Amino acid sequence: GESVGLHLPTLSVQEGDNSIINCAYSNSASDYFIWYKQESGKGPQFIIDIRSNMDKRQGQRVTVLLNKTVKHLSLQIAATQPGDSAVYFCAENKGSFNKFYFGSGTKLNVKP
Amino acid sequence: EADIYQTPRYLVIGTGKKITLECSQTMGHDKMYWYQQDPGMELHLIHYSYGVNSTEKGDLSSESTVSRIRTEHFPLTLESARPSHTSQYLCASREQGTTEAFFGQGTRLTVV
Repeated sequence: GESVGLHLPTLSVQEGDNSIINCAYSNSASDYFIWYKQESGKGPQFIIDIRSNMDKRQGQRVTVLLNKTVKHLSLQIAATQPGDSAVYFCAENKGSFNKFYFGSGTKLNVKP
Repeated sequence: EADIYQTPRYLVIGTGKKITLECSQTMGHDKMYWYQQDPGMELHLIHYSYGVNSTEKGDLSSESTVSRIRTEHFPLTLESARPSHTSQYLCASREQGTTEAFFGQGTRLTVV
């Protein structure tokens, strides 16, 4: 089956620095790629998505980059804050949005 | 805050018992999902529904069953719980044509 995997299981950054979380995918037919944030004891929360025909999309303090040539997705968080500490998942969604495939997650630790 | 609720939050139950995990959403979403997640691991889709009276199995084989008699309600049932069913179960819903899924807080199930 298709897989969405993350490069690094844990990322530690200093408060105020920028964070970059990476994700590799294998399904070139995906229509959308999505980032979710999961805080301890909670369900995942949508952050941002990017359509497969785009290279970059910006949100509030976050930017998602999509490199279809190497099947790579990244989430950049500007001025990382303690509240950003969580596990981040990338997911892909293809076809008529019926199913999502999630990667294994990267834990982001923000040091004060 | 998403209007999707799961009960119970935590459940410890003996082997062989029948259990039902509840999931309800008040957003009127047609699409609903059940994911299984082990600690620190990715989410695996076990069931999904396009709408009332529509249910499908996900990519991860599961001995659980689901029903969708009402739009807002998507319960998951295990007829005979086993220790291998110990995991966190997350319910989600999504509006047709969008990528953002709203997740409940999850049910952490332990079968002893």
